[in-house]
Amino acid sequence: SQQGEEDPQALSIQEGENATMNCSYKTSINNLQWYRQNSGRGLVHLILIRSNEREKHSGRLRVTLDTSKKSSSLLITASRAADTASYFCATVNSGYSTLTFGKGTMLLVSP
Amino acid sequence: DGGITQSPKYLFRKEGQNVTLSCEQNLNHDAMYWYRQDPGQGLRLIYYSQIVNDFQKGDIAEGYSVSREKKESFPLTVTSAQKNPTAFYLCASSDRDRGYEQYFGPGTRLTVT
Repeated sequence: SQQGEEDPQALSIQEGENATMNCSYKTSINNLQWYRQNSGRGLVHLILIRSNEREKHSGRLRVTLDTSKKSSSLLITASRAADTASYFCATVNSGYSTLTFGKGTMLLVSP
Repeated sequence: DGGITQSPKYLFRKEGQNVTLSCEQNLNHDAMYWYRQDPGQGLRLIYYSQIVNDFQKGDIAEGYSVSREKKESFPLTVTSAQKNPTAFYLCASSDRDRGYEQYFGPGTRLTVT
């Protein structure tokens, strides 16, 4: 069964705008990760945030984690056409060693 | 796509035939994983292996089999018992010391007719 649920399912913005995607999960986690997938390709790891962290930055990416609400958000600032992809959150649940993926958010950035 | 290779990229098979998908990694990772991806479904875990000669079923193992005879290799066989084998298959590996951050291969698109 899938743990993470991303919201929205699809997002369309213009270059230069910010994109925010949200992820909710159900059980206690060890860490939460965000991945990106270009159409027909493998996934690429973007960022990992541990359960005791609240915010993390990597370049134009900002991830927040609220364990009390069991939710996370991924913010991409100053988006570019090359950011067009699907974005997935995945959780490592406490006591486990596998990832549970959500269904993803499809982001379209228009020039 | 990191240090993981999957072959072939596209595979076509007739119904009733078993087919084996290859996955090799040179990252020295202990853990390897197989996922299936269908449109709108995200990734679902088929099998995973934490160490050589050991593997566990994931959420949708029925109709699939794996082996882990070498650290670098984790082949997946899609058997004729799998009712809906047409899908995009992704292999990944991870390092426990990095929080199970996963490195993915480029995927194999299997079409069964």
